[in-house]
Amino acid sequence: DIQMTQSPSTLSASVGDRVTITCRASQSISSWLAWYQQKPGKAPNLLIYKASSLQSGVPSRFSGSGSGTEFTLTISSLQPDDFATYYCQQYNSYPYTFGQGTNLEIK
Amino acid sequence: EVQLVESGGGSIQPGGSLRLSCAASGFTVSYNYMTWVRQAPGKGLEWVSVIYSGGTTYYADSVKGRFTISRDISKNTLYLEMDGLRADDTAVYYCATVGVTGALDYWGQGTLVTVSS
Repeated sequence: DIQMTQSPSTLSASVGDRVTITCRASQSISSWLAWYQQKPGKAPNLLIYKASSLQSGVPSRFSGSGSGTEFTLTISSLQPDDFATYYCQQYNSYPYTFGQGTNLEIK
Repeated sequence: EVQLVESGGGSIQPGGSLRLSCAASGFTVSYNYMTWVRQAPGKGLEWVSVIYSGGTTYYADSVKGRFTISRDISKNTLYLEMDGLRADDTAVYYCATVGVTGALDYWGQGTLVTVSS
């Protein structure tokens, strides 16, 4: 199975900050990586697919980059609505696997 | 508008069986790849199973041989039949569509399964 490791596990930031979350795969997954945002009690919401493509309706302050084994999710200027948990997910091969999550909290 | 509504969750004793449903609207389940993802309380996301439009299925090792994914074309509904339930199957179960991009683009609200004696 492909292991996905996110860092950091927790990130404290302020409104207006630029933040970056990293996701590493245990083997190459090309660009078959997605990022999701999840708020408490809600289903995940797709932000980024194929490593760097923005899902329709997602604000442009979200961006993704990377390929192979190293990926990043960047939020250019944090808004109050962005404080949530973020997950990466590989869909290169089964079983699909998720990172452990990054909890983005208000500083 | 795409909508997914899960049902069928509840409390069950270890070793019991449960069938989850995911009623879809706004698209045709049988034309799409559909998947189940679960989330144990306070934990991260775990992929469970997928069914292709052609009927091919895949499962996580943790549920293989115990869970069965299926669909009913006439009801436009996805199912997850769960047998031999264990305490570590306790989770919120989400159904989701696998979009043309390969990512999981539409999700239901989830249904909670609690396995406890």
